[in-house]
Amino acid sequence: GENVEQHPSTLSVQEGDSAVIKCTYSDSASNYFPWYKQELGKGPQLIIDIRSNVGEKKDQRIAVTLNKTAKHFSLHITETQPEDSAVYFCAATGGYQKVTFGTGTKLQVIP
Amino acid sequence: GAGVSQSPRYKVAKRGQDVALRCDPISGHVSLFWYQQALGQGPEFLTYFQNEAQLDKSGLPSDRFFAERPEGSVSTLKIQRTQQEDSAVYLCASSLLSQGNNQPQHFGDGTRLSIL
Repeated sequence: GENVEQHPSTLSVQEGDSAVIKCTYSDSASNYFPWYKQELGKGPQLIIDIRSNVGEKKDQRIAVTLNKTAKHFSLHITETQPEDSAVYFCAATGGYQKVTFGTGTKLQVIP
Repeated sequence: GAGVSQSPRYKVAKRGQDVALRCDPISGHVSLFWYQQALGQGPEFLTYFQNEAQLDKSGLPSDRFFAERPEGSVSTLKIQRTQQEDSAVYLCASSLLSQGNNQPQHFGDGTRLSIL
């Protein structure tokens, strides 16, 4: 089955700086890579996703890159704000939508 | 509300009791998923429905876990003879069905289950 590794597990940045989270996956058949933000006591919320036929996608301060050859993908958050503080999960999906999540990155943005 | 709704939000049960967790997916969403999230971990897949058909239950930890979606809308996850290791947050997600193309999954806020 699919295995997704994510790092770092914790990340502290100063407000306004950038944050980068990296993930690798094992199953070359995976073709959809969503990123989720989870706040305390809430369910994961989709923030951006990328499909295997695209190398990069951007939405305002958030961007994702995908390298299918190397089987890794990354989340980039620029101009971080305190409200960006949360746990972020990468995920990989193949086949009929079965999602395998990474272990999460706890991001702390220091005002 | 237009999102995925789960109830109860919190459930405390004694070891050995049976529990039932409910999920109301987004209206019109064909696919429904259950996940288990242990403290400090990512969600782990339990089972998947397409309408009323349970197409994959490979993630269910044991035969004490049972899920159903009889009318292709609301789903219930049942855990029989609960054990302490069942303590976790149980998340439900739904998505539109798209032929051969993955669609985003929308999650509820989960049910936090504590087994004493």
